[in-house]
Amino acid sequence: EAGVVQSPRYKIIEKKQPVAFWCNPISGHNTLYWYLQNLGQGPELLIRYENEEAVDDSQLPKDRFSAERLKGVDSTLKIQPAELGDSAVYLCASSLLPATEAFFGQGTRLTVV
Amino acid sequence: AQSVTQPDIHITVSEGASLELRCNYSYGATPYLFWYVQSPGQGLQLLLKYFSGDTLVQGIKGFEAEFKRSQSSFNLRKPSVHWSDAAEYFCAVVPSGTNDYKLSFGAGTTVTVRA
Repeated sequence: EAGVVQSPRYKIIEKKQPVAFWCNPISGHNTLYWYLQNLGQGPELLIRYENEEAVDDSQLPKDRFSAERLKGVDSTLKIQPAELGDSAVYLCASSLLPATEAFFGQGTRLTVV
Repeated sequence: AQSVTQPDIHITVSEGASLELRCNYSYGATPYLFWYVQSPGQGLQLLLKYFSGDTLVQGIKGFEAEFKRSQSSFNLRKPSVHWSDAAEYFCAVVPSGTNDYKLSFGAGTTVTVRA
């Protein structure tokens, strides 16, 4: 069974440029998460989807971040414009149902210069 | 406020020695509990989980964890550490008995294994 797939693995952009991350969850998983992980810290939730509905986006900085989950499967997280402080690892995870174990992708390491 | 705490930022252990990582939570009701491991440059891998029942949970890679309600703790243990266990370990929780299924993580414990 394929795991959670994220792309790209690494991205370097100049500040003020846009960037997008893509996530393909495990087949059949209804719940999808995007997390932000700064160096030496635990992941912090940005947004959680149940199917195509964003049920928790309270921690998503909506002035520059946006996300979508088309047809309740793949998801895209976008930053526009990027700031230096956005440099971090962006993790996508999925679970079969809410409160069940989440499976993580390898993450996208973003560097903003 | 709801929180999950990992008191130890960094632990160094000799290969073959035992390991215990601490996790404490502060939630109204016992949450669902998880331990994840993250190797450098990798995503998080689930080691084990606790929803209910037997308070001693067995996981992968020889890890186990014990849930203690009286101490609001879910500590991770391994009897004999291998060099490949060097990684970052995260305790995570999901509230139970509510519609808030937010998966929240502790700050992590870095484990260094010395030969």
